[in-house]
Amino acid sequence: QQQVKQSPQSLIVQKGGISIINCAYENTAFDYFPWYQQFPGKGPALLIAIRPDVSEKKEGRFTISFNKSAKQFSLHIMDSQPGDSATYFCAASKGGSQGNLIFGKGTKLSVKP
Amino acid sequence: DAGVIQSPRHEVTEMGQEVTLRCKPISGHNSLFWYRQTMMRGLELLIYFNNNVPIDDSGMPEDRFSAKMPNASFSTLKIQPSEPRDSAVYFCASRLTGGMDTQYFGPGTRLTVL
Repeated sequence: QQQVKQSPQSLIVQKGGISIINCAYENTAFDYFPWYQQFPGKGPALLIAIRPDVSEKKEGRFTISFNKSAKQFSLHIMDSQPGDSATYFCAASKGGSQGNLIFGKGTKLSVKP
Repeated sequence: DAGVIQSPRHEVTEMGQEVTLRCKPISGHNSLFWYRQTMMRGLELLIYFNNNVPIDDSGMPEDRFSAKMPNASFSTLKIQPSEPRDSAVYFCASRLTGGMDTQYFGPGTRLTVL
């Protein structure tokens, strides 16, 4: 049973556009929702994270929107750049940032110049 | 800080051979995680250690897989005998449990079993 469902599987965006990646979760005990960014040949790296007590968190061009009632959260990348081309994973855990992470299957983002 | 170090970065072996993957966590981190990444299944947690003790190995696919952490600065993941379906990228991650941080991942080992 997939506890964190991520979509789309792949995404192509023009430079300057907005990239949106969505995730849905099932377990209401999850209380920490990070996004990881992975470049080819590298390990995933934490990009931004949110806790369910807020509906939005913004760091630079990256924003997480969180909808607790719908059990959904999304990553928005504003003014997408070719350097943002990577695979993005959403994740969820119980026990905050100290919990074990359940990952979505990833979204491969390509930003065209 | 050197980050999480994994070796080898690439491994090609033949079916039936023993494979050993190695990981050095970030100094001072007391939790270590082994993940497997495939296109079909994404990132799966295989096992994690806390203070060198295995806490949850429910993700280990079968008895052919074993993991050890003899000290705070070294862990191994062994597959014996290896099979073609074990081909994947294996990641090690570490974390300071009790702190505020989440996990930091190594660069991974790409394993190909022929």
